[in-house]
Amino acid sequence: DADVTQTPRNRITKTGKRIMLECSQTKGHDRMYWYRQDPGLGLRLIYYSFDVKDINKGEISDGYSVSRQAQAKFSLSLESAIPNQTALYFCATSDLPGLYNEQFFGPGTRLTVL
Amino acid sequence: DQQVKQNSPSLSVQEGRISILNCDYTNSMFDYFLWYKKYPAEGPTFLISISSIKDKNEDGRFTVFLNKSAKHLSLHIVPSQPGDSAVYFCAASARGYGGSQGNLIFGKGTKLSVKP
Repeated sequence: DADVTQTPRNRITKTGKRIMLECSQTKGHDRMYWYRQDPGLGLRLIYYSFDVKDINKGEISDGYSVSRQAQAKFSLSLESAIPNQTALYFCATSDLPGLYNEQFFGPGTRLTVL
Repeated sequence: DQQVKQNSPSLSVQEGRISILNCDYTNSMFDYFLWYKKYPAEGPTFLISISSIKDKNEDGRFTVFLNKSAKHLSLHIVPSQPGDSAVYFCAASARGYGGSQGNLIFGKGTKLSVKP
């Protein structure tokens, strides 16, 4: 079973709709992240959470919100989707930065906003 | 302003030859660097990393070189195989720096194509 799972894997929605993307992990990591990937723009950080009570904005948080329901669950919401939010969304987890600092990514959600 | 730059959007090499992917950074606080590989329809997967106290790290066919004075790192793949065809992301972090301690800053990626 995958350590980091994302649901749904694909979603098509219409402008103005509310949508939630969910992420679950079994790695036992405290830190979780949401990124979006656009062609030619790489991975950009939307929000991150260092533990259940800690939520932080990333580089491109406008138009998004998050909820850390438990150590293992971190969801991303688009309150009113717009077409330029069409992208690939990735959830990631990591342990505390120490000697190593890898992040482990989920398989991604392809979101299309019409 | 981009802190991590991958200036080559794509690279094509012949199977068996060396692939060299380059990455430049601007923030001197970065002390840990990573390379991720991404296949279509999958999430990025960690490939190799290097700490700023080293100038080289090797893992099988993959070697990462770090030149701190030039703020430059490179990933060498020798020999290249068709299965290496993917997008490669360079990432950097400042593990002990400020409130975003440990966050990764990614480059835009380089698409590697290895031709048989």
